[in-house]
This record gives sequence, structure tokens and C-alpha cells, in this order.
Amino acid sequence: NAGVTQTPKFRVLKTGQSMTLLCAQDMNHEYMYWYRQDPGMGLRLIHYSVGEGTTAKGEVPDGYNVSRLKKQNFLLGLESAAPSQTSVYFCASSPHGRDTEAFFGQGTRLTVV
Amino acid sequence: DQQVKQNSPSLSVQEGRISILNCDYTNSMFDYFLWYKKYPAEGPTFLISISSIKDKNEDGRFTVFLNKSAKHLSLHIVPSQPGDSAVYFCAASGDGPARQLTFGSGTQLTVLP
Repeated sequence: NAGVTQTPKFRVLKTGQSMTLLCAQDMNHEYMYWYRQDPGMGLRLIHYSVGEGTTAKGEVPDGYNVSRLKKQNFLLGLESAAPSQTSVYFCASSPHGRDTEAFFGQGTRLTVV
Repeated sequence: DQQVKQNSPSLSVQEGRISILNCDYTNSMFDYFLWYKKYPAEGPTFLISISSIKDKNEDGRFTVFLNKSAKHLSLHIVPSQPGDSAVYFCAASGDGPARQLTFGSGTQLTVLP
């Protein structure tokens, strides 16, 4: 049981380049999330999804787009990378319902130069 | 404005003693609170949680206390072990359609042998 898997684990981009981060979960969870972690700021929510075909903005959505075409996958896109997007990105999923925890992937360390 | 605050960036404790990590929140809509543990280069892993209808939850060496009137929760680890050294994040949910988590900035716990 792999849980939540993120691809890639590391990436270096030049300013203005684009890329897509892939998140896959095998737990049949309804909800999926993308967070970024920056020093001293904890994890901040970028976008989330309540189910296949749905997405919504979180706390820090600017510069990112997402898609959830299949229930098990949640993609995070950067159309034109900026140095301010240098961060560690975490994907998570959780089942529908209250009083449940989210399960996190291992993270993607992205550096924009 | 941070809705979940961890005011201690770091904490050092001797092995065998008690570790107490604190967390404050401001949003009255939060009804479920969680603690996550994070090792370097890994994703956060769920540790323990508490619903707003309770004031205490225990799981082995870990106990979480919730004081709703003060909007404060704490995590007690007894006895502390060197393997407990990690960053601990407090998180809260309840204010959102996907019950998305709002995180504190984390506390680095170091347990000294």
C-alpha cells in the first residue's frame, strides 16, 4: 500500500519555465490537497479538491493551477515559475467525513533560479 | 493573520522527561485538532488528534489536551525519547468544505540523550 506518492522528489527550474507536479493516492480518498512549506511558516494550502473534476483555491493559490481528472490523481502546475515559488510542496489526501486525518506524500523540493 | 499559532520554534528536553508542546488557535469554527510529526526530507505523519467535544485524548506516550474556552491545546510526550526529535505541527480543521487543515508554524523538539 503506497499511500500518497509525489513525483518528482526534486526539481530545479529556471525563472519562467513551467512544470507539473503529480500526486497519486491509492486509498480511494475523496479529498486531496496541495500545500507548500516555507521556513518558519508551517504548511500553507495552495489548492484543494473535494472530488473528481472539482478544484478550489486555498490560502496561497496565485501562480498555480490544479486539475483532478481522475479521483486518484491531483496535479499541480506552475505555468511560469518565479523564485518566490521555491519551496517544498506536499500533497495530501483524506477520506470524506469529519474527524479524519490527512495522509501526506514525501514532498517535492522545488528550486527556481 | 495566523489562525493557528505555535509560539515556541524550538524545545529541548532530556531523555525520560516530559515534553510539552503548545498551540493556540483563533477560529471558533475549528472542531478537530491534530498533531503531526515531521522528520527531515519526509512528509508529515499523523500522531494524535482530538475532537472539540473532548478535553483529553491519550495514545501511549502521547496525550493531547484541549481547552476550548482558552482556544489552546497542548501535546504531552512522556517519557521523551531521542527518536521523538522532530518538528511537530499543530493543525486544525472544521472551517471549510474539504475540512482542510490549517497548520501552525511548527516546533522543533530535540530530546537529548
